Amino acid sequence: LAKTTQPISMDSYEGQEVNITCSHNNIATNDYITWYQQFPSQGPRFIIQGYKTKVTNEVASLFIPADRKSSTLSLPRVSLSDTAVYYCLVGGYMLTFGGGTRLMVKP
Amino acid sequence: DTGVSQDPRHKITKRGQNVTFRCDPISEHNRLYWYRQTLGQGPEFLTYFQNEAQLEKSRLLSDRFSAERPKGSFSTLEIQRTEQGDSAMYLCASSHPGPDEQYFGPGTRLTVT
Repeated sequence: LAKTTQPISMDSYEGQEVNITCSHNNIATNDYITWYQQFPSQGPRFIIQGYKTKVTNEVASLFIPADRKSSTLSLPRVSLSDTAVYYCLVGGYMLTFGGGTRLMVKP
Repeated sequence: DTGVSQDPRHKITKRGQNVTFRCDPISEHNRLYWYRQTLGQGPEFLTYFQNEAQLEKSRLLSDRFSAERPKGSFSTLEIQRTEQGDSAMYLCASSHPGPDEQYFGPGTRLTVT
């Protein structure tokens, strides 16, 4: 299973755009890149998934370069409620979560 | 509410006791997963079912752990002879086949004293 590396923590302020980059150098050809969000004492929640180029939904955008060895989750105009842990995962159905990125949004 | 549900939400037990958790997935999902999460760490995969068949088991799933999904609907996770190291949040998720998103339940927090 491909290993991912992402920053342990990030700080931001309300209204700013936040970009969290994840590296996955050993990603396999068939692997998708998926991001989850987790609040304390809750299960993870799916944010976005992509295979290549750019994917956008109502919550976030996911940028994937051509070599797919990294990906960037972009959260536009974050609010205090976006304070959470964000996990980058690659692979299939057997999700392998790393330590995630703890995002703190400040007023 | 048609999301994934788990019961109980909290369980406190003494070391050596057996515990059983239940997960009810989203009804049209035929895949069901169990994960374990300890404080400050990401969830760790334990096992998954496609319908009633248990297709993958992690090395984390020792002989004291057993999971079932008898009719391809709800699932149970049993831990026998609990140890303090079993204290964790046990998460259940369900999905359609393929790389589709997994929908997680709220988890069962187990505390072994």
